[in-house]
Amino acid sequence: AQTVTQSQPEMSVQEAETVTLSCTYDTSESDYYLFWYKQPPSRQMILVIRQEAYKQQNATENRFSVNFQKAAKSFSLKISDSQLGDAAMYFCASSPGNTGKLIFGQGTTLQVKP
Amino acid sequence: DTAVSQTPKYLVTQMGNDKSIKCEQNLGHDTMYWYKQDSKKFLKIMFSYNNKELIINETVPNRFSPKSPDKAHLNLHINSLELGDSAVYFCAAGTSGYEQYFGPGTRLTVT
Repeated sequence: AQTVTQSQPEMSVQEAETVTLSCTYDTSESDYYLFWYKQPPSRQMILVIRQEAYKQQNATENRFSVNFQKAAKSFSLKISDSQLGDAAMYFCASSPGNTGKLIFGQGTTLQVKP
Repeated sequence: DTAVSQTPKYLVTQMGNDKSIKCEQNLGHDTMYWYKQDSKKFLKIMFSYNNKELIINETVPNRFSPKSPDKAHLNLHINSLELGDSAVYFCAAGTSGYEQYFGPGTRLTVT
């Protein structure tokens, strides 16, 4: 069975600083995808970034980037120049290539201090 | 236009009742999903339909029955509601390996 683990229940960062959220996963699939989703207090789920496991290059979306270590099954999210609007719960998720279902980690609540 | 919509957004009901949550997507994706987010915010897949066919059923009690009348709609019917069913239920639509678009969620409270 696939599992995703986020070991940091809460993190905080000063506005304009950089923070890294950790995620490890376990899968026997050869074809899979990894995602970070953000859930602000509005509870809307918003995609932050997506990584294809067969690509070695780390995905980047503006201030958000990942450090994908396939052998270590690690997929951390780096947020640069943190903004107050980044405060939310962040979920790491893996998805096998055939069904598309998302398997989520426990989530990390990010607080951004002004 | 809303990509994935759910009705209702809030649902308060008593134990033993039967209720339905409706979901509609206008994105044209073939696959739709139901997820449950419990009180600890843990999100778990419940069901997935691809073009009206059930493809994932993740050990969900038989009291939960999804129905997909067409590929734009995926409804969730729950019989004999229990206190433990209280949660936020999310509908999503997407293509395998790509972004899933989530609805706004339905907060179900069973009293």
